[in-house]
Amino acid sequence: GESVGLHLPTLSVQEGDNSIINCAYSNSASDYFIWYKQESGKGPQFIIDIRSNMDKRQGQRVTVLLNKTVKHLSLQIAATQPGDSAVYFCAETGQGAQKLVFGQGTRLTINP
Amino acid sequence: GAVVSQHPSRVICKSGTSVKIECRSLDFQATTMFWYRQFPKQSLMLMATSNEGSKATYEQGVEKDKFLINHASLTLSTLTVTSAHPEDSSFYICSARRQPGQGKKYNEQFFGPGTRLTVL
Repeated sequence: GESVGLHLPTLSVQEGDNSIINCAYSNSASDYFIWYKQESGKGPQFIIDIRSNMDKRQGQRVTVLLNKTVKHLSLQIAATQPGDSAVYFCAETGQGAQKLVFGQGTRLTINP
Repeated sequence: GAVVSQHPSRVICKSGTSVKIECRSLDFQATTMFWYRQFPKQSLMLMATSNEGSKATYEQGVEKDKFLINHASLTLSTLTVTSAHPEDSSFYICSARRQPGQGKKYNEQFFGPGTRLTVL
């Protein structure tokens, strides 16, 4: 069945370093991918998205890379700050599909 | 723009009672709303897809008679947990998708802040 998974459940980085969070997906029909940030006790917050016709997209301090050959998605956060501490989820959907399929999530913790 | 609210944010109830959770899109019309459940340290699990004016589509394993969903308007969907039990304790999150034509992004969903349900 469809599934989206993450390689690492937890990631700990030093403040100021770059963070890389990975995600694998299995549905080759997926053509739209989103990264969400979820802080404790809150709903998911949109970070960045990418369509399958792109392999890279940049936002403010964040970059998403998409490798369709190996069905891999990553989120890069530059100069990680304490406020970046959260659980990060990737999600995918396909053209015409209404629903999002969420990955397992990676908890990002920042060391001072 | 694109704000989704949920009410209540937190609810504690006794086993056997029913609890209603509201999801509202505050500044846009949502033809489709989604209800998710999230257990501690786990991902979001889609429970059902709710289309305005029609019956909700439930995911496999979700009891439609236990989790009643009503989407009577383009800005409001409700989830009622009937005869709640301690195992229903969870974080319930809704999302809303813009009506076609208004959105700037493909299939974009906007999430509410969640409702923490505790059943004693």
